[in-house]
Amino acid sequence: QVQLKESGPGLVQPSQTLSLTCTVSGFSLTSYNVHWVRQPPGKGLEWMGRMRYNGDTSYNSALKSRLSISRDTSKNQVFLKMNSLQTDDTGTYYCTRDRTIAAMDAWGQGASVTVSS
Amino acid sequence: DVVMTQTPVSLSVSLGGQVSISCRSSQSLVHNNGNTYLSWYLQKPGQSPQLLIYKVSNRFSGISDRFSGSGSGTDFTLKISRVEPDDLGVYYCGQGTQYPLTFGSGTKLEIK
Repeated sequence: QVQLKESGPGLVQPSQTLSLTCTVSGFSLTSYNVHWVRQPPGKGLEWMGRMRYNGDTSYNSALKSRLSISRDTSKNQVFLKMNSLQTDDTGTYYCTRDRTIAAMDAWGQGASVTVSS
Repeated sequence: DVVMTQTPVSLSVSLGGQVSISCRSSQSLVHNNGNTYLSWYLQKPGQSPQLLIYKVSNRFSGISDRFSGSGSGTDFTLKISRVEPDDLGVYYCGQGTQYPLTFGSGTKLEIK
């Protein structure tokens, strides 16, 4: 069945870089777009960026200078790297997918990230 | 960026009742290809969001027909009929027409 699973460090120090991995199964990264969406504690959803099925990327302009999304199709993994973390980057980070319906039809369980010294 | 405005912020309903949630976009969500990419998601307590409705009115696989979506252009509505205990959580609308993708701020549904 379709699965997405985020992994990465739960704690990151301010000014450091966050690295997360989304490992997928049950579908191909060359057929689906994979997005990163984050959610600060008790708040709403913020789209961060996308790895398109063909390898193209798109980023939220508010994060673009700090954010990089890449992938390894042989390992079925999509990577997120965001530098210069601050405390307001604390939250849950989800990877999710979409295709032709332009709606996110499967989500990972989320990775909780705390930015603190 | 397309701003998605959801109302109300929260609502309380009795079991078996009906509710409506409104979502308005700052720009038309009609894509150049003629499709309107407006979706609804439910985030149950402690869980990841799940897709309920896509392209305004299409129920996702396995979603009960108690959930229905309607609207066009910039004005959209999610209706939930015969509310059940498992319906509680936060409902978000989201647009997939224009990048950056954006979501509404959420509507919290509580059961009386």
